[in-house]
Amino acid sequence: GNSVTQMEGPVTLSEEAFLTINCTYTATGYPSLFWYVQYPGEGLQLLLKATKADDKGSNKGFEATYRKETTSFHLEKGSVQVSDSAVYFCALTSSNSGYALNFGKGTSLLVTP
Amino acid sequence: DAGVIQSPRHEVTEMGQEVTLRCKPISGHNSLFWYRQTMMRGLELLIYFNNNVPIDDSGMPEDRFSAKMPNASFSTLKIQPSEPRDSAVYFCAINRQGGTEAFFGQGTRLTVV
Repeated sequence: GNSVTQMEGPVTLSEEAFLTINCTYTATGYPSLFWYVQYPGEGLQLLLKATKADDKGSNKGFEATYRKETTSFHLEKGSVQVSDSAVYFCALTSSNSGYALNFGKGTSLLVTP
Repeated sequence: DAGVIQSPRHEVTEMGQEVTLRCKPISGHNSLFWYRQTMMRGLELLIYFNNNVPIDDSGMPEDRFSAKMPNASFSTLKIQPSEPRDSAVYFCAINRQGGTEAFFGQGTRLTVV
């Protein structure tokens, strides 16, 4: 079956530091990959996505590249801000699961001034 | 994203009572999903519908849980009777027609005491 593994948190960084959150997946077929972000008390918001190998998703300074050879989709940002503090979820979906999402357990990020 | 409206936002109920959670998609979609989020288990798919028809309810934890989608604009998740271990945040999400990414509502935080 499909599954997603992401690094455990919490991650604490100083403002302007470089961020990497690792994510690897197991899937049959050709999944689409996503990063969602959840701010306190809110629902999940799509941050970025990639639908095929070597695609790079990007949004708000965040990037992730779909690496089929390493089954990875690591999230990166060159310079984090306090407002990036949130929980980040890596997820995948595929047609054989009806496009239901399989989520990682989430990584909590705290950015301090 | 205002594509999905959930109600109530918060619900506190006593063990044994019936609880009904509501979801109203306000934009075009072809799939609707119910997820549950807990600290211990993360985000879990409970059930999803395609074109208002339940496709996979294997994630519904017990017969106490039921979900309906009488039309494209409304879905309910019912728990009867509720138990303290049902305490969680319940999310409704939709896939827009032609898309693979899901758009989430704000969630319902359920507390069963």
